[in-house]
Amino acid sequence: DTAVSQTPKYLVTQMGNDKSIKCEQNLGHDTMYWYKQDSKKFLKIMFSYNNKELIINETVPNRFSPKSPDKAHLNLHINSLELGDSAVYFCASSSVRNTEAFFGQGTRLTVV
Amino acid sequence: ELKVEQNPLFLSMQEGKNYTIYCNYSTTSDRLYWYRQDPGKSLESLFVLLSNGAVKQEGRLMASLDTKARLSTLHITAAVHDLSATYFCAGGNKLVFGAGTILRVKS
Repeated sequence: DTAVSQTPKYLVTQMGNDKSIKCEQNLGHDTMYWYKQDSKKFLKIMFSYNNKELIINETVPNRFSPKSPDKAHLNLHINSLELGDSAVYFCASSSVRNTEAFFGQGTRLTVV
Repeated sequence: ELKVEQNPLFLSMQEGKNYTIYCNYSTTSDRLYWYRQDPGKSLESLFVLLSNGAVKQEGRLMASLDTKARLSTLHITAAVHDLSATYFCAGGNKLVFGAGTILRVKS
């Protein structure tokens, strides 16, 4: 019973394809995030949802689209994948009361 | 916009020694976090610091927060090999991360 779970853990795909990464949390948190960690290990926030509402939308290509069907899920869809999209994508969740953010295990995306 | 800077970015230390990682941030932040990441793994929360003067300790690690100086420190006491990892500080509502400090403890 993992707190924040992402699928898949590894994703290898060709340029131009469309892919999705799923994230689910069972912590009862109301806020979820997507982060991108590049090859230099730098972490940058991409999106954040609070109670299914988009509250943070950083400057990322519009090929990236988050979707939150409910508070416990935040998926990331990526269209027309490019080589530069290769990275590890982390999902995280937190609540207002407990400000600590918990991270999923990450999805290593490789675009070839 | 909040910017978070860590130093050093790489730290090689001998077992048994003490050292401090520094985290400076650019604008007011009411919260500061420290995370640990092992190679190929996720981020593990170490400390959450919510007020000026907050100090938290877990084992050989101690974190503190000085909101007036916009500085947090992570102090390592008598380092052991198991502490080798990358340590991140992060702050603000958007959880803005520093670049990370790669810590290598040598025996």
